[in-house]
Amino acid sequence: GAVVSQHPSWVICKSGTSVKIECRSLDFQATTMFWYRQFPKQSLMLMATSNEGSKATYEQGVEKDKFLINHASLTLSTLTVTSAHPEDSSFYICSARDQGRISGANVLTFGAGSRLTVL
Amino acid sequence: GESVGLHLPTLSVQEGDNSIINCAYSNSASDYFIWYKQESGKGPQFIIDIRSNMDKRQGQRVTVLLNKTVKHLSLQIAATQPGDSAVYFCAETAGENEKLTFGTGTRLTIIP
Repeated sequence: GAVVSQHPSWVICKSGTSVKIECRSLDFQATTMFWYRQFPKQSLMLMATSNEGSKATYEQGVEKDKFLINHASLTLSTLTVTSAHPEDSSFYICSARDQGRISGANVLTFGAGSRLTVL
Repeated sequence: GESVGLHLPTLSVQEGDNSIINCAYSNSASDYFIWYKQESGKGPQFIIDIRSNMDKRQGQRVTVLLNKTVKHLSLQIAATQPGDSAVYFCAETAGENEKLTFGTGTRLTIIP
């Protein structure tokens, strides 16, 4: 089945540094990927929609200059948390849509998530 | 704004019993609903989905019921097993853009 890989699975960084998280579709092509963040014991909140070859679409309240998204190929989207602060500590999850399948949310595959801790 | 919510944040069920997890949604334009299972430290795993032109759909040990009149859906898990312990989220979307809105989640604990 479709597999989405996230890397790193966990990362610890110092306040003020930038962290890049990768989301790869391993066995399918994805023109669209989605980035979510999830705080402990809370639900997933959509941050942005990543579109291959074009700018990401950010949800209201998400700072695009802080959360840089690049979708340079059909199998890779990256999320860079710039000048990270402790309040950015969270679980970041991506999902990808297999463009070769009939549309519908059941063709979305989620990555295993990346836990970011900012000291 | 529109939101998807759950009635019960936690649920404990004896192993072997059936469990029912409920979800209320408020976006009347939602036409596609999905249940996800999330284990600790992992991403959501698709369980079952249902479109708005249906009111019931069954899978292996799971059944989803949709009541559009009261904007409510439920997930029934039959003969629960320890491996069913997880957080369950309902999610909804309107149209084909696959932007999912997740509910608040219910933690299901199966008691051996």
